[in-house]
Amino acid sequence: EVLLMQSPGTLSLSPGERATLSCRASQSVTTNYLAWYQQKPGLAPRLLIYGASNRATGIPDRFSGSGSGPDFTLTISRLEPEDFAVYYCQQYGNSPYTFGQGTKLEIK
Amino acid sequence: QVQLVQSGAEVKRPGASVTVSCKTSGYTFTSYGIGWVRQAPGQGLEWMGWISPYNGNTNYAQKYYGGATMTADTSTSTVYLEVRGLKSDDTAVYYCARMAYSTGLDFWGQGTLVTVSS
Repeated sequence: EVLLMQSPGTLSLSPGERATLSCRASQSVTTNYLAWYQQKPGLAPRLLIYGASNRATGIPDRFSGSGSGPDFTLTISRLEPEDFAVYYCQQYGNSPYTFGQGTKLEIK
Repeated sequence: QVQLVQSGAEVKRPGASVTVSCKTSGYTFTSYGIGWVRQAPGQGLEWMGWISPYNGNTNYAQKYYGGATMTADTSTSTVYLEVRGLKSDDTAVYYCARMAYSTGLDFWGQGTLVTVSS
């Protein structure tokens, strides 16, 4: 199975700053089928990015995804207060469709 | 609009079984898969598997082979997850999510808390 390692585990930043989150796969992700999700406490995850770099419907353009093969990045260009949450990557190119362990983005 | 509405919270004894339902609406039921994801308290997301309502085909993470069953009822656009032989570490929120093959899990249910306790 494809293992996904997210870094850092916790990221402390201030509103207005730029956030860069990493997701590294143990092997190349088929067809770059890599998604990013945001989860806030008590709520279901929300799809942000699919296919490594495509924003889901309704997602603000301050969120962007990049990368290929084993290395992927989620960038939030200017943090808004509502962006502080936990972020997960998931690969859905190779069964089982594994998740990373998550990055907590907290207010500094 | 696309909606996935899950059944309510459950409390079960160790060794029991639980069935969680996921009723969908707002799209063609047989055109998308449904994935199941669980989240233990304070932990990350764990992939369980998925079902194609079109033909009933399923694919389970290795951990859940023999212990979980996913089914789909096309007459009610509802998917079911049964988990058998519950243990305390099966205590988690179970989510269903619509799965498009190239776009990941794009719509999610609200989650169902299953508590396993003696």
